[in-house]
Amino acid sequence: DAKTTQPPSMDCAEGRAANLPCNHSTISGNEYVYWYRQIHSQGPQYIIHGLKNNETNEMASLIITEDRKSSTLILPHATLRDTAVYYCIVRVDSAGFQKLVFGTGTRLLVSP
Amino acid sequence: GAGVSQSPRYKVAKRGQDVALRCDPISGHVSLFWYQQALGQGPEFLTYFQNEAQLDKSGLPSDRFFAERPEGSVSTLKIQRTQQEDSAVYLCASSLGTSGSSNEQFFGPGTRLTVL
Repeated sequence: DAKTTQPPSMDCAEGRAANLPCNHSTISGNEYVYWYRQIHSQGPQYIIHGLKNNETNEMASLIITEDRKSSTLILPHATLRDTAVYYCIVRVDSAGFQKLVFGTGTRLLVSP
Repeated sequence: GAGVSQSPRYKVAKRGQDVALRCDPISGHVSLFWYQQALGQGPEFLTYFQNEAQLDKSGLPSDRFFAERPEGSVSTLKIQRTQQEDSAVYLCASSLGTSGSSNEQFFGPGTRLTVL
């Protein structure tokens, strides 16, 4: 399984952009990068995913480097409710379904 | 329903007891997943169902763990003769299809199992 590396924790001031990095140097050409987040005592929540192009939705932007070995999740205007653990995942296709292999993630703390 | 629901939300069991954890996926979702999340760790895959068929159970830690989805909707994860190391949050997720680039998994809130 392609592995991801994320910093264990990051801090961000409320209203500022939060940029969460992820390394996935062993990613294969047909593997997607997914981001989920988990707020305390809740199940993980899907944020965004991409293959090789940058992606944007109402929650965040995903910037993937040209060599696809790393990516950055951008929360443009972080709020206190964005405090959570953020997981960068390389989706593994296994026997016809997508298995999510979570790491330990980045704990983002947004402060006033 | 609005999302994936799980019951009970909390379960305390004495070592050696059997427990059953229930998952109600989003209506119409073909795929159903169970994950185990130990304290301070990310979720770990346990098993996968496509409708009623259990296609992958490679993540089940021992033969004390058993999952079923007999009618292709509700699923139950059963743990027999619980041990302290089984203490964790058990997460259920469902997705609409089986493959494709936008096959988002929707997670339930989890069941926190504590084995004394």
